[in-house]
Amino acid sequence: RKEVEQDPGPFNVPEGATVAFNCTYSNSASQSFFWYRQDCRKEPKLLMSVYSSGNEDGRFTAQLNRASQYISLLIRDSKLSDSATYLCVVNCMNYGGSQGNLIFGKGTKLSVKP
Amino acid sequence: EADIYQTPRYLVIGTGKKITLECSQTMGHDKMYWYQQDPGMELHLIHYSYGVNSTEKGDLSSESTVSRIRTEHFPLTLESARPSHTSQYLCASSEYLREAGDTQYFGPGTRLTVL
Repeated sequence: RKEVEQDPGPFNVPEGATVAFNCTYSNSASQSFFWYRQDCRKEPKLLMSVYSSGNEDGRFTAQLNRASQYISLLIRDSKLSDSATYLCVVNCMNYGGSQGNLIFGKGTKLSVKP
Repeated sequence: EADIYQTPRYLVIGTGKKITLECSQTMGHDKMYWYQQDPGMELHLIHYSYGVNSTEKGDLSSESTVSRIRTEHFPLTLESARPSHTSQYLCASSEYLREAGDTQYFGPGTRLTVL
């Protein structure tokens, strides 16, 4: 089982639609969670961190369910400029108890059409 | 916005050449990383460093080597480039944020083509 799994998509939605991305992770000791956005042939950019209580940034809402080891990203009122690949990212603890490296999902491609 | 720089942005080179991809950051981050990514594919960690004189291999085996003599600088070297090394190479550094944990910031990448 992959450490971080995402639906690869593509998700093709019209402008103004609400779209939700899901992500599951396998390591129950995971400590930190993020969503990154990557445009075609560009570097990944941090979209938002995901906190235990859930958090919102404008049209974007991230949720974490530790019991189910599941993270979600909701985009409301989608814009053409939201078209990108969305990467689910998880940080696991090392055996020594320190933070390990980030584990990136393969990403979910979103295409917002006029 | 993170201050992390990579040069060159694009490099086309012949087989057998030695190349060094530069990465530098001005944020004083201890942790730095190199990833390899083919078009439309996932990121693969090839090297990382937790500080000066610390380097480790990542999850994906790579013929490249790295060095970390200064905090701000993390160059990647290929002694003899081959067509199979053609890819995008992304450098990143991270800082620990109390609420979010280790948060990574990426450079713009170097797109390498080996003929």
